[in-house]
Amino acid sequence: DGGITQSPKYLFRKEGQNVTLSCEQNLNHDAMYWYRQDPGQGLRLIYYSQIVNDFQKGDIAEGYSVSREKKESFPLTVTSAQKNPTAFYLCASRITGSDSPLHFGNGTRLTVT
Amino acid sequence: KQEVTQIPAALSVPEGENLVLNCSFTDSAIYNLQWFRQDPGKGLTSLLLIQSSQREQTSGRLNASLDKSSGRSTLYIAASQPGDSATYLCAVRGGANNLFFGTGTRLTVIP
Repeated sequence: DGGITQSPKYLFRKEGQNVTLSCEQNLNHDAMYWYRQDPGQGLRLIYYSQIVNDFQKGDIAEGYSVSREKKESFPLTVTSAQKNPTAFYLCASRITGSDSPLHFGNGTRLTVT
Repeated sequence: KQEVTQIPAALSVPEGENLVLNCSFTDSAIYNLQWFRQDPGKGLTSLLLIQSSQREQTSGRLNASLDKSSGRSTLYIAASQPGDSATYLCAVRGGANNLFFGTGTRLTVIP
């Protein structure tokens, strides 16, 4: 079945450590996105990529980094510079060049203590 | 900047009732509007997408309408079931990669 796989589902880290969240899709979508979801707030865009080897900052990119070496993969690294990293992280993808819907993975809940 | 509002934040209805969820946005210059469902601890599932040139979309018991000029969309759920209990989010696309989300309405359908 086609879809977006995020792993792990739950992640625990100590403050000061970098951590990488995985996102893999087999939908053959060009565009991939990372969102952060906090209670009582709408989803906020961290980074997006429309094509391999290219990505752009979203609204809240500070303290995060990404790479897009393969079409299927868009990992997100939460660095120690991110001041409030505990959140639910969602990866999404869509076909570019059309008004196509956004498809989401099941998310990774990151807790930093 | 586009602002998307969903009121109420939470709604409880008895099983079998028809209901309407509301979404409003401040900038009418949108490409499309998408309704999602989110179960606790899960990702978002796309329910309906309405292009800016359309007035409504239907899928099964769901009907979404769009009034761009007034900055409003509604999601109508007919004959609600306990399995419909979830948080419903709307999002408007203002550009190629500008998707603005509301904070959602948490729906509980009581058996």
